[in-house]
Amino acid sequence: GESVGLHLPTLSVQEGDNSIINCAYSNSASDYFIWYKQESGKGPQFIIDIRSNMDKRQGQRVTVLLNKTVKHLSLQIAATQPGDSAVYFCAENSPPGQLTFGSGTQLTVLP
Amino acid sequence: DAGVIQSPRHEVTEMGQEVTLRCKPISGHDYLFWYRQTMMRGLELLIYFNNNVPIDDSGMPEDRFSAKMPNASFSTLKIQPSEPRDSAVYFCASSLNRVTDTQYFGPGTRLTVL
Repeated sequence: GESVGLHLPTLSVQEGDNSIINCAYSNSASDYFIWYKQESGKGPQFIIDIRSNMDKRQGQRVTVLLNKTVKHLSLQIAATQPGDSAVYFCAENSPPGQLTFGSGTQLTVLP
Repeated sequence: DAGVIQSPRHEVTEMGQEVTLRCKPISGHDYLFWYRQTMMRGLELLIYFNNNVPIDDSGMPEDRFSAKMPNASFSTLKIQPSEPRDSAVYFCASSLNRVTDTQYFGPGTRLTVL
């Protein structure tokens, strides 16, 4: 079946640098995507979402980019802080009516 | 807003015992979801409800698993009998109106079956 996947299971960045977390999806019919952040011992927390009629959406220090041509989603975190260390999941609304989550990327912010 | 509330936070039980996990969704949310998270399989949807009615339970692994939502503010996920392979973190989430509206997750229940 079609699924959401992540390119890198782990990512380490220096504090203050920008982080980019990538996600590939395979269902071209998906029209809604979400990024979640999960800190150790906690539930996933909503970060930002984007619908397929958009290419880019910005939040506070975060930007999500959607490239429908290559079915690619990315999360950019500006000026990464220690509190950003967590596992980041992308999710798509596939199959219809459900959210399917990717395997996650562990982001580690180095001092 | 208290957010989604789950209890217990941790549960350790022996194989064969019945386990009941509880969830209180955010007030006013029409959708409730139960997920299971393991290192091997990641985050999996087990079942979801709309207005207290189960809509899709295709993710429920076996007949040993059952879920109920007797009212808009309470849901249970029951495992009977439990097995070691059921060990995981179980999350409850709720969303406002549509199934793909932002889902708000609870803190999870870490279940260990010995």
